[in-house]
Amino acid sequence: NAGVTQTPKFRVLKTGQSMTLLCAQDMNHEYMYWYRQDPGMGLRLIHYSVGEGTTAKGEVPDGYNVSRLKKQNFLLGLESAAPSQTSVYFCASSYSLSEQGSWGQPQHFGDGTRLSIL
Amino acid sequence: AQTVTQSQPEMSVQEAETVTLSCTYDTSESNYYLFWYKQPPSRQMILVIRQEAYKQQNATENRFSVNFQKAAKSFSLKISDSQLGDTAMYFCAFMKQSTGTASKLTFGTGTRLQVTL
Repeated sequence: NAGVTQTPKFRVLKTGQSMTLLCAQDMNHEYMYWYRQDPGMGLRLIHYSVGEGTTAKGEVPDGYNVSRLKKQNFLLGLESAAPSQTSVYFCASSYSLSEQGSWGQPQHFGDGTRLSIL
Repeated sequence: AQTVTQSQPEMSVQEAETVTLSCTYDTSESNYYLFWYKQPPSRQMILVIRQEAYKQQNATENRFSVNFQKAAKSFSLKISDSQLGDTAMYFCAFMKQSTGTASKLTFGTGTRLQVTL
């Protein structure tokens, strides 16, 4: 049981390049999330999804796009990378209220992707 | 909007001793959940403990326990019998109970804990 898997684990980009980060979960979770972690700032929510085919903006969505074509996958895209997007990116997933029958389900995290933009 | 504050950027404790990490939060919600996550040098985010706001009883998981003071909006984590493997960054997180939207987490800025011999 792999849980939440992020690909790649590390990447270096040049300013202006594009790339996609892939998140895959095998727990059949309804909800999925993308966070970024910067020094001294904790984790901040970029985008999230409440189900296949749906996405929504989080706290810091600018410069990112996401897609959830399949329930198990959640993709994060950078169309034109900027140095300010240098960060560690985490994907997470969790059960919904309807799936688990109770509120407050904990999120399960992937191991993160370290992205450096030069 | 909710905010979570961890006022101790770094802490140190000797092996086998007890340490308490502080967390305060600000919310107008009455129903919510609080979490502590651990991030060791391996970068994984590991759930340590979870507390439902409607429960007065403090959550406990082996050597980890919380002191939840709802009126004071305080949620501290106590680690007993500290071990070298407890060395990590610890994040406090808030989740409000909401209908129809994802269970989003609001994180504090973290406390880096070093366990020494």
